[in-house]
Amino acid sequence: KQEVTQIPAALSVPEGENLVLNCSFTDSAIYNLQWFRQDPGKGLTSLLLIQSSQREQTSGRLNASLDKSSGRSTLYIAASQPGDSATYLCAVRGTGGYQKVTFGIGTKLQVIP
Amino acid sequence: GAVVSQHPSRVICKSGTSVKIECRSLDFQATTMFWYRQFPKKSLMLMATSNEGSKATYEQGVEKDKFLINHASLTLSTLTVTSAHPEDSSFYICSARDPRQGETGELFFGEGSRLTVL
Repeated sequence: KQEVTQIPAALSVPEGENLVLNCSFTDSAIYNLQWFRQDPGKGLTSLLLIQSSQREQTSGRLNASLDKSSGRSTLYIAASQPGDSATYLCAVRGTGGYQKVTFGIGTKLQVIP
Repeated sequence: GAVVSQHPSRVICKSGTSVKIECRSLDFQATTMFWYRQFPKKSLMLMATSNEGSKATYEQGVEKDKFLINHASLTLSTLTVTSAHPEDSSFYICSARDPRQGETGELFFGEGSRLTVL
């Protein structure tokens, strides 16, 4: 059974700081890994999708890496802004069965002005 | 803009009533949609996979008769919480994958529906 862990559970940083969010998963048999952002009381917004054959993806100030063999992914946020405050979730899509997607609990980020 | 739309965003109902939540794919036809439930400080839990034109596939522990799923068209799936009770209060989110992106495409999520059962 796939398990996804995100560390830290919460993070508070001053504006402008670079930061790294971590995601680990127990089963390396995955199709892809996706990072999401969730604002309070809202749905999920897709940030980056990394296929299993890729090592990283970049979008603006965001960079996500994937090390499938070790079961790890990181989301790097450069020059953080107060608007980045949200909960960040990672999700992995397995290759077995009907390719179930498993989510981590998320990291709650607060960027202080 | 949003490619998956969910309605209503908030609903408050009395115990014993049924509530229907709609999930629509706006830019593509989704033969498969997914329904999740999110508890506070918990990860999203897949409830069921909605299949157009056939029965939904439910995850272990999810009551089929409590959570009725209908995928009547390629752009609409509905989740009906029947005879709702306070313990059904939660945040329900649907998602879909654009088939044009292939099997490994990204998941798109609706805005979520906050259900409160009094």
